[in-house]
Amino acid sequence: DIQMTQSPSTLSASVGDRVTITCRASQSISYWLAWYQQKPGKAPKLLIYKASSLERGVPSRFSGSGSGTEFTLTISSLQPDDFATYYCQQYNSYWTFGQGTKVEIK
Amino acid sequence: EVQLVQSGAEVKKPGESLKISCKGSGYSFTNYWIGWVRQMPGKGLEWMGIIYPGDSDSRYSPSFQGQVTISADKSISTAYLQWSSLKASDTAMYYCARGTSSSSQIDYWGQGTLVTVSS
Repeated sequence: DIQMTQSPSTLSASVGDRVTITCRASQSISYWLAWYQQKPGKAPKLLIYKASSLERGVPSRFSGSGSGTEFTLTISSLQPDDFATYYCQQYNSYWTFGQGTKVEIK
Repeated sequence: EVQLVQSGAEVKKPGESLKISCKGSGYSFTNYWIGWVRQMPGKGLEWMGIIYPGDSDSRYSPSFQGQVTISADKSISTAYLQWSSLKASDTAMYYCARGTSSSSQIDYWGQGTLVTVSS
């Protein structure tokens, strides 16, 4: 099984901050990685797929990078609507999710 | 408009059986995979398994193999997740989700079904 490890688990930030979340895979997954945003009581929402492709309708302040085993999600200027939990997902072999990163207000 | 509409919340006792559903609409149900994802209270997302409704080919996460059964009825565009004997530890939100293959990103999610197992 491919394991996904996200860091940090919690991140405190202010509106306007640049935020970076890291996701590491236990083996190479090429660029088969997605990022999701989840708000309390809601289903996750796709932000990024194929490591760096922005899903239609997602603001351009979100970006993804990486390949192989190390990936990052960056929010260039944090907005009030961005306080949520973020998950990475590998889909090189079925699905595995990272444990999540909660972005909270500083 | 693509939609995955899940069945309503359930409250069950330990040992009881349960089958929850996920109905797809707005797309060709037989051409996409449907996966199931568990989220225990206050915890992260866990992949349980996935099915291709076109031929009912299904795959399971090792963590859930033998614990649940995933099925689909393509005639009514509905996928199912079922338990034969629930445990208190099955209390969670369960999401169905659509993928273009068994290894693809998830582009649509159901709204979730909350299952509570308590004596």
